[in-house]
Amino acid sequence: GAVVSQHPSRVICKSGTSVKIECRSLDFQATTMFWYRQFPKQSLMLMATSNEGSKATYEQGVEKDKFLINHASLTLSTLTVTSAHPEDSSFYICSAWDSWETNYGYTFGSGTRLTVV
Amino acid sequence: SQQGEEDPQALSIQEGENATMNCSYKTSINNLQWYRQNSGRGLVHLILIRSNEREKHSGRLRVTLDTSKKSSSLLITASRAADTASYFCATGSQGGSEKLVFGKGTKLTVNP
Repeated sequence: GAVVSQHPSRVICKSGTSVKIECRSLDFQATTMFWYRQFPKQSLMLMATSNEGSKATYEQGVEKDKFLINHASLTLSTLTVTSAHPEDSSFYICSAWDSWETNYGYTFGSGTRLTVV
Repeated sequence: SQQGEEDPQALSIQEGENATMNCSYKTSINNLQWYRQNSGRGLVHLILIRSNEREKHSGRLRVTLDTSKKSSSLLITASRAADTASYFCATGSQGGSEKLVFGKGTKLTVNP
């Protein structure tokens, strides 16, 4: 089946630095990718939808200058958390849509645990 | 915004028992999906049920959908300790490459 690889799985960074998270579709082309954020013991909150070759669509309340999303190819989307602060510490998960999958098209990455100290 | 609301928020049962989780949603949907998440991991897709379906089975999983009540249930039969995880429902309104709206989840603990 479809596989989405997300890296890194864990990252600790200092406050004020930037962190890049990668999401790759390994065996399919993902025209659309989604980025979610999950706080402890809570559900997934969609941050943005990215389409290959175009600007990401951010959900209300998500700062696009802080959470930079790039979807430059059909197999790679990146989320960069700029000038990270402790409140950005969270679990970030990407999801990719496989347009060839007729029954179910969403595949999720394994998530990235970001800790800002 | 959260669309789905799962209940119960937490469920603890003994191995071998059945576990039932419910999900309610607010707007019209094209499909509803159930996912499983082990602690600190990504999501695993369990089952998708379309708005014109009422029931679907997959192994030990049984999902029902009542569009008139805007609710769905996930039944796990003969539970195992390995079923311990959080379970989320998510709704899609179009059936294509759309964003999913997730519920708050049910934390299931299956005691050996």
